[in-house]
Amino acid sequence: EADIYQTPRYLVIGTGKKITLECSQTMGHDKMYWYQQDPGMELHLIHYSYGVNSTEKGDLSSESTVSRIRTEHFPLTLESARPSHTSQYLCASSRGDRGPETQYFGPGTRLLVL
Amino acid sequence: AQSVTQPDIHITVSEGASLELRCNYSYGATPYLFWYVQSPGQGLQLLLKYFSGDTLVQGIKGFEAEFKRSQSSFNLRKPSVHWSDAAEYFCAVGRPAGNKLTFGGGTRVLVKP
Repeated sequence: EADIYQTPRYLVIGTGKKITLECSQTMGHDKMYWYQQDPGMELHLIHYSYGVNSTEKGDLSSESTVSRIRTEHFPLTLESARPSHTSQYLCASSRGDRGPETQYFGPGTRLLVL
Repeated sequence: AQSVTQPDIHITVSEGASLELRCNYSYGATPYLFWYVQSPGQGLQLLLKYFSGDTLVQGIKGFEAEFKRSQSSFNLRKPSVHWSDAAEYFCAVGRPAGNKLTFGGGTRVLVKP
């Protein structure tokens, strides 16, 4: 079944640690996105990719980085986690061939940095 | 720049009653509009979308929404809510260039028995 996966679902980590949030989709979508969502708040786009080797910053400035080496995989990395990075991170994907398309979301990763 | 406003932060409704969630957008061209639902601890699920054509769109779980260009609105409705409809609902406008979404602040729906 085509889907979009995120791991881990929950992560508690200490300040200064390097972390990578995984996102994979099996739908063959060209476009992928990372959103940051604080509890009870709206989603803010922090990164997006139109295809392999294509990554762009989103609307909200983020200290995280992303890579897109394979179509199905779009990991997000924080080199040195800080308490201000505590949030929920949602990954999404969509087709890329024409106009706005429906974005399909993963279940999210809840990150707590102590 | 485009923006989306959901005026109601919280709505409490009795089970079996009707529900309407408001969404107003600001966008210079014909908007592409979406409603997503987020259950606690989950990602977002698409309820319905409007790209063009009939301004009344039907979605999943018995939801519908009406696009009103003159009011810049895309309100979501359900005639009779179920306890499982308790969730957060997000309205979003899509930007044709780049397929990015701008989300509203969300409306949290509580359902009373």
